Amino acid sequence: KQEVTQIPAALSVPEGENLVLNCSFTDSAIYNLQWFRQDPGKGLTSLLLIQSSQREQTSGRLNASLDKSSGRSTLYIAASQPGDSATYLCAVIAGNQFYFGTGTSLTVIP
Amino acid sequence: NAGVTQTPKFRILKIGQSMTLQCAQDMNHNYMYWYRQDPGMGLKLIYYSVGAGITDKGEVPNGYNVSRSTTEDFPLRLELAAPSQTSVYFCASIGTGESYEQYFGPGTRLTVT
Repeated sequence: KQEVTQIPAALSVPEGENLVLNCSFTDSAIYNLQWFRQDPGKGLTSLLLIQSSQREQTSGRLNASLDKSSGRSTLYIAASQPGDSATYLCAVIAGNQFYFGTGTSLTVIP
Repeated sequence: NAGVTQTPKFRILKIGQSMTLQCAQDMNHNYMYWYRQDPGMGLKLIYYSVGAGITDKGEVPNGYNVSRSTTEDFPLRLELAAPSQTSVYFCASIGTGESYEQYFGPGTRLTVT
């Protein structure tokens, strides 16, 4: 069974700092990997999607990488801002199902 | 497009009551999913559907039922509500392109007392 782990569970950084969130998965037979943002009491917003044939995707200050062979993905956030404070989840799709990590709660301190 | 919509936003049920959580999408997506999210536990898949008339169990299906009579709608039925079903419920759908990007509804917060 696919297991997805996110480390750290919580992270607090000062504004302006660059940071990396980690996601690991146990079965490399994935179709794609998707990073989401979730604000308190809200639904999930898609940030980046990386297909299994790709190595990375970029959107603005966000860069996500994927290493299927090692079962790892990272989400890099450049020049963090207080508005980046949220929970970040990664999910892998295998077969017809998505498997989610438990998320990293990010706080950016002004 | 409205995307994925869910109703109601909030609901309080008494133990043993039943209810249906509604989910609809207007993007002509074939794949639809129901998840529950408990604090600190991530999202768990309850049921999913790959098209009208086809449904399948996910990781935590007990106590729930689904139907998929149309492409647009994927309701989740709770029979005999229990306190363990207190959670936030999310519906999601996936496009038919190659990316399999998942789109989420805003969620339904359910409390069973």
